[in-house]
Amino acid sequence: AQKVTQAQTEISVVEKEDVTLDCVYETRDTTYYLFWYKQPPSGELVFLIRRNSFDEQNEISGRYSWNFQKSTSSFNFTITASQVVDSAVYFCALSEDTNAGKSTFGDGTTLTVKP
Amino acid sequence: SAVISQKPSRDICQRGTSLTIQCQVDSQVTMMFWYRQQPGQSLTLIATANQGSEATYESGFVIDKFPISRPNLTFSTLTVSNMSPEDSSIYLCSGSENTEAFFGQGTRLTVV
Repeated sequence: AQKVTQAQTEISVVEKEDVTLDCVYETRDTTYYLFWYKQPPSGELVFLIRRNSFDEQNEISGRYSWNFQKSTSSFNFTITASQVVDSAVYFCALSEDTNAGKSTFGDGTTLTVKP
Repeated sequence: SAVISQKPSRDICQRGTSLTIQCQVDSQVTMMFWYRQQPGQSLTLIATANQGSEATYESGFVIDKFPISRPNLTFSTLTVSNMSPEDSSIYLCSGSENTEAFFGQGTRLTVV
């Protein structure tokens, strides 16, 4: 069985602070995919990144960066110089299937960035 | 990636009635899925919508309550039947093509 744990239920920071959202996963498969999604108050799910289990290279996209560590089964997400528009619920998800739409989601972390 | 148009975006329904949610994808996708997100909670997979055959339901979800259709590779519907206030949730459809996944905008359902 697969499981995704986002231990941080809510995080509140002041604008321009850096913030890291934690994600720990469990799976028995050697091939799997990890995702991060953003859900703003409007409700839609915005895809942020996908990582496959064979690619441990960290990734940076603008103010966003992701740290994938297979040794600790973690896939953490850092926002640098946070902005108010980053306020949202962030979900980490795991797919053991090549069909990435079938995923197990963590409970989400609500990030509030205050001006 | 593909774009999914989901409608309605929100609805308020009377208990005991049914609501059908539609998702239209702008290109053919191999797989489509339906999720439920109860208030303040995470997304839970309801079922895999199979093209031309019966959907595959996850544990805790049954066809009588959540009938799903997928007549072709670009369209799917989910019906929430005989609704009760406990069905108040956001319902999202998802499409995937290999390792790409994309979601509709969600349907925010309130049952009164």
